[in-house]
Amino acid sequence: DIVLTQTPVSLSVTPGQPASISCKSSQSLLHSDGKTYLSWYLQRPGQPPQLLIYEVSNRFSGVPRRFSGSGSGTDFTLKISRVEAEDFGLYYCMQYMQPALTFGGGTKVDI
Amino acid sequence: QLQVVESGGGVVQPGTSLRLSCEASRFTFISYGFHWVRQAPGKGLQWVSFISSDGNNKYYADSVKGRFTISRDNSKNKVDLQMNGLRTEDTALYYCAKIKGPDAFELWGQGTMVTVSS
Repeated sequence: DIVLTQTPVSLSVTPGQPASISCKSSQSLLHSDGKTYLSWYLQRPGQPPQLLIYEVSNRFSGVPRRFSGSGSGTDFTLKISRVEAEDFGLYYCMQYMQPALTFGGGTKVDI
Repeated sequence: QLQVVESGGGVVQPGTSLRLSCEASRFTFISYGFHWVRQAPGKGLQWVSFISSDGNNKYYADSVKGRFTISRDNSKNKVDLQMNGLRTEDTALYYCAKIKGPDAFELWGQGTMVTVSS
């Protein structure tokens, strides 16, 4: 199975400051259809995950512009331009390479 | 409001079975594939299984292959996960998620808790 390694494991951020999370894959995520299926999720305490970014850099509907995704091949990054109070929680990257999907281990973002 | 609601969780003994359901409302159910994802207490997310919109394609994580079976009833807007031969390591909160694209789990339920313990 493809292994996704997220760094850092935890991140303390001051509101208003930027934040960046890395997700490295054990193999290329370039799919045979030419797309790269790497997404990002935020899970707040006691809540299900919510989709932020899909296909590396596409912001999901309603996701603020301060969230951006980038990368290719095996290296991917989620950036928050200016962290707000509602952004604190656990962030996960996830890859899809048929037939199995895997999640990264998670990055906890707190104050 | 678009939503999916999971049910069927509970406390069971190792080796027994449980059937989880995911009911969807207020969207065209038949057009979408669904995943089950689980989260053990205090742990990260683990993908479990997927079923395509027409039910013809089904995939499973190696850890549940041969024990779990995913199915759907488009007439009832429902996706089920039949779990047999449950093990203590299957203890987790099980989420159902509707997909927008292959890697885009756009709608999640609140989850249903499964505890496997003797």
